[in-house]
Amino acid sequence: GDSVTQMEGPVTLSEEAFLTINCTYTATGYPSLFWYVQYPGEGLQLLLKATKADDKGSNKGFEATYRKETTSFHLEKGSVQVSDSAVYFCALMPLTDSWGKLQFGAGTQVVVTP
Amino acid sequence: NAGVTQTPKFRILKIGQSMTLQCTQDMNHNYMYWYRQDPGMGLKLIYYSVGAGITDKGEVPNGYNVSRSTTEDFPLRLELAAPSQTSVYFCASSLNSPLHFGNGTRLTVT
Repeated sequence: GDSVTQMEGPVTLSEEAFLTINCTYTATGYPSLFWYVQYPGEGLQLLLKATKADDKGSNKGFEATYRKETTSFHLEKGSVQVSDSAVYFCALMPLTDSWGKLQFGAGTQVVVTP
Repeated sequence: NAGVTQTPKFRILKIGQSMTLQCTQDMNHNYMYWYRQDPGMGLKLIYYSVGAGITDKGEVPNGYNVSRSTTEDFPLRLELAAPSQTSVYFCASSLNSPLHFGNGTRLTVT
């Protein structure tokens, strides 16, 4: 079945450092791909998405490119802030399924220190 | 605009007790979902609904029940609580768009 694998955390960084969180997927066809972010005590919020190969999603300085050849959707940010401390989830929506029946990765906790 | 509202925020249950987790949304979304989040496991879909009167099982439905009598409300029922149901529960909704999540209910069964 469809699945998402993302790097384990926690990832600890200093402010202004470069962040990469790896995400790879297994799926039939070309699913839509998402990054969600969860701040402490809150629900998940959509960070960015990509719906077809080579699409680049971007938001709040974060970027991720849908790479069909490597089945990957790695999340990057050039200069992190303390406010970026959160748990980040990679997710896919199968090609033939409705919005919302997502397969999530296990989540990666990111801790940014001043 | 409140979005997706879940109550309660926290709850402790004894084994065998029952409870209902409430979820309501004010965005007129057709689709609603219940997920559970366990440490290191991501989110797993429990039940979902594509509209009032229609519900279906997700990946991990055992031990839970749902109903969808209105577009706005999608309660999740635990009939006989078990320690394995200790988790954080998230309700979400959508309308042909990515999900909007509530802030979650943290449930502990002891």
